[in-house]
Amino acid sequence: GIQVEQSPPDLILQEGANSTLRCNFSDSVNNLQWFHQNPWGQLINLFYIPSGTKQNGRLSATTVATERYSLLYISSSQTTDSGVYFCAYGGTSYGKLTFGQGTILTVHP
Amino acid sequence: DGGITQSPKYLFRKEGQNVTLSCEQNLNHDAMYWYRQDPGQGLRLIYYSQIVNDFQKGDIAEGYSVSREKKESFPLTVTSAQKNPTAFYLCASTLTGGNSPLHFGNGTRLTVT
Repeated sequence: GIQVEQSPPDLILQEGANSTLRCNFSDSVNNLQWFHQNPWGQLINLFYIPSGTKQNGRLSATTVATERYSLLYISSSQTTDSGVYFCAYGGTSYGKLTFGQGTILTVHP
Repeated sequence: DGGITQSPKYLFRKEGQNVTLSCEQNLNHDAMYWYRQDPGQGLRLIYYSQIVNDFQKGDIAEGYSVSREKKESFPLTVTSAQKNPTAFYLCASTLTGGNSPLHFGNGTRLTVT
């Protein structure tokens, strides 16, 4: 089946540091999204990015479809960035989104 | 305000009982999804529906059932056949299934004892 792998599994930062999260997928991509889950379990959509690069404030994302990976960049991290970051992949099965296992980010003040 | 409403937030049931989780959206989205999340784990797809009166099994459909009689509603029934029903259940929707952002409700935490 489709493999969606995220790295690193855990990341600990000091406030103000930058970080890069990675999502590898095993097949052609039609749909790639990044989410943040806060400590209360709420999932927020950060980016819909099947290809190319997007930026939203301190966050940006890049998907390189030909090499089957996506990156999420967090700059000048803040304690409120803590939580779990998930990527979700959609391939040839239209409408089906498969989630990676997530990266747990902890930002210390 | 538009959004996805899941109710209740917490649900407790005895083993052997069926239980139905509610999911309603007023975003006029075509596609709706149910995911399950276990502690420290990612999200696993249970069922999804791209149009009314149609739905597909996800990766872990056994022990679950759904219906999609209305565009705005996608209830999930956890049956007694589900061996490990205690989990966090998340409902999501998207404008179209293939190429638009996915949005989530706040989830229902189901505990079965």
